[in-house]
Amino acid sequence: GAGVSQSPSNKVTEKGKDVELRCDPISGHTALYWYRQSLGQGLEFLIYFQGNSAPDKSGLPSDRFSAERTGGSVSTLTIQRTQQEDSAVYLCASSLWLAGGHQETQYFGPGTRLLVL
Amino acid sequence: DAKTTQPNSMESNEEEPVHLPCNHSTISGTDYIHWYRQLPSQGPEYVIHGLTSNVNNRMASLAIAEDRKSSTLILHRATLRDAAVYYCILRDSYGTSGSRLTFGEGTQLTVNP
Repeated sequence: GAGVSQSPSNKVTEKGKDVELRCDPISGHTALYWYRQSLGQGLEFLIYFQGNSAPDKSGLPSDRFSAERTGGSVSTLTIQRTQQEDSAVYLCASSLWLAGGHQETQYFGPGTRLLVL
Repeated sequence: DAKTTQPNSMESNEEEPVHLPCNHSTISGTDYIHWYRQLPSQGPEYVIHGLTSNVNNRMASLAIAEDRKSSTLILHRATLRDAAVYYCILRDSYGTSGSRLTFGEGTQLTVNP
């Protein structure tokens, strides 16, 4: 079946502009995650949605970052007033979350490559 | 979160077995060991996971030391497509660290033709 999709694949923006990144999770998956990967760095957790629960926003680096998940499906990550240090690959993952979480498999999308000039 | 230590890089020849080590000396009794890999220009993908017993699936095998302080991901016959960064990740079965994956630096595997 269809995997996790993300759009756009690439985004170039000017410093100070707002950007929206979209994630379409696997149908039926209740959990959705956003991570980012800066050049030469590891993957960094940003935010996590699980069903109707309040999202875990503990990984968001600043209040310029926000995300929402509408109807328990599609999610949008918004970065306001972008800075050059926001340049990274933004990855979305979804999973059919199991109680405890320890055996859950996350399925990642291809990512959105953001470049802030 | 308990920490994992992996070599920065490893090399292998095509069609030979590859053993990717991971040390996790502070692992707790409730931590599962997960492996993901990230091919170039792609998102990570799940490889395998286990708790105490060795595990096999179509992609790889996971050998877990008896004291659980280390584990080894085994690719039985490396192919060029296996060239990737391999991440060893511990996940708390009680979810005290949340459901996020905490990625370390991983091991960059190079497969030579």
